[in-house]
Amino acid sequence: GAGVSQSPRYKVAKRGQDVALRCDPISGHVSLFWYQQALGQGPEFLTYFQNEAQLDKSGLPSDRFFAERPEGSVSTLKIQRTQQEDSAVYLCASSLSSGAVGELFFGEGSRLTVL
Amino acid sequence: AQRVTQPEKLLSVFKGAPVELKCNYSYSGSPELFWYVQYSRQRLQLLLRHISRESIKGFTADLNKGETSFHLKKPFAQEEDSAMYYCALREHNFNKFYFGSGTKLNVKP
Repeated sequence: GAGVSQSPRYKVAKRGQDVALRCDPISGHVSLFWYQQALGQGPEFLTYFQNEAQLDKSGLPSDRFFAERPEGSVSTLKIQRTQQEDSAVYLCASSLSSGAVGELFFGEGSRLTVL
Repeated sequence: AQRVTQPEKLLSVFKGAPVELKCNYSYSGSPELFWYVQYSRQRLQLLLRHISRESIKGFTADLNKGETSFHLKKPFAQEEDSAMYYCALREHNFNKFYFGSGTKLNVKP
């Protein structure tokens, strides 16, 4: 497809379970971002990749959160031992730019509900 | 620290009325400001960025460094403008974007 693709679209997890969220960016896009959007809030930055290099992970809320992009295209956000406060929509965005990023192209998001 | 503030959660106007969605930011350097929009059942997408100085779908936004604002304006609202609008800031020389909490615009017929 032409856009950013995320899967699964919906995930229900029991507290303590591990989850993995996948992002397939637009082909050729160098930059990839993960954002967390809680209900009624704007997207909050989690982490940023340029190709396979994770250049900024300052937004990851705890060491339970881990992201990777091993071949510089598909990325996975992993959350270990999920907690209720992890319930949110996780947005992936990509950009063609490797320097100053202009436009972000967003996926539809993965909605995580932790029971 | 809150970098981007959108004081209105909901803004309701009638079709044909002017609309202004407020955005204030907190940043000491030279930011780049954006407005993103999310229509019902669609993904978040760029509406406009201050550096382009364009009018998109009749919307304009001017960066006011003195007031640290980047308000979004349209002289005559249309029903199809109903959506969630997010103001965003990118720090100079960094690729971290900060988003406001969003304003839901409802344009009534």
